[in-house]
Amino acid sequence: QLQLQESGPGLVKPSETLSLTCTVSGGSISSSDYYWGWVRQPPGKGLEWIGYIYYSGGTYCNPSLKSRVTISVDTSKNQFSLKLTSVTAADTAVYFCARQMDTGAGGNDFWGQGTLVTVSS
Amino acid sequence: SYVLTQPPSVSVAPGKTARISCGGNNIGSKSVHWYQQKPGQAPVLVIYYGSGRPSGIPERFSGSNSENTATLTISRVEAGDEADYYCQVWDSFSDHWVFGGGTKLTVL
Repeated sequence: QLQLQESGPGLVKPSETLSLTCTVSGGSISSSDYYWGWVRQPPGKGLEWIGYIYYSGGTYCNPSLKSRVTISVDTSKNQFSLKLTSVTAADTAVYFCARQMDTGAGGNDFWGQGTLVTVSS
Repeated sequence: SYVLTQPPSVSVAPGKTARISCGGNNIGSKSVHWYQQKPGQAPVLVIYYGSGRPSGIPERFSGSNSENTATLTISRVEAGDEADYYCQVWDSFSDHWVFGGGTKLTVL
C-alpha cells in the first residue's frame, strides 16, 4: 500500500523559508503515471492547492504562491520537497503531500497525514 | 480565477439522502473530484471524475455534474458520514487546481 509522510520543522520564523519533504513508500515516485503535490489547510479553513511535480521535474504551481514556491524531486530517495520563501503568519497551516492519480486531471488518491507548520517569532 | 461555491453546511437525518452542491461557471464541462475530511485527518477521495468511486468507498456515495452545478449525493446517511466535504476542479485557464470552500455535513 502506498504511503506518504511529510517531514520538516513545525515552527518557522516570519520572513524565513519553510521547507518540507514528502517521503513516498510502497511505490515509486519515478512512475510516469502520476503527479506528486502539496496542499495546505490553515487552521479551521479550507484546502488550498500549492503545486505539483512530475518525476522528471516539471512543475505547476498555484499562481497566488508561484513567486515564493519551489517544488523539487529526488527520485533516488523517493522524495519530493516544498520550499516556501518569505513566510508570514498567513502561511501557518497543515501541509499535506498527495499523489495525483493520473497525469490528466485526476484527483488525489493518496495523502500524507499532514504536518502543522506554524509561522511565529 | 475560477471559483467553486459550496454551501457551508448541510444537515440530514440518519438513513436519509444528503446532497452537497458545488457551483461553478460551466462546471459541467470539467472533471470534478470530491473529498471527505474528518477532524484531524487527511482528505479522502470519495468521487473522482464526477462519478467514479475509488476502491473502498461505499456505493452510497455518488456524483453527478451538469451545467453549472456538480452534486455529491450520499444515500442512507450514517453517523460516520459526518465530515467536511470539498469539491475540486482543474482550472484550465490558469492551470491550477481549485477547491470549493467546503461543506460541513451534520448527521442529526
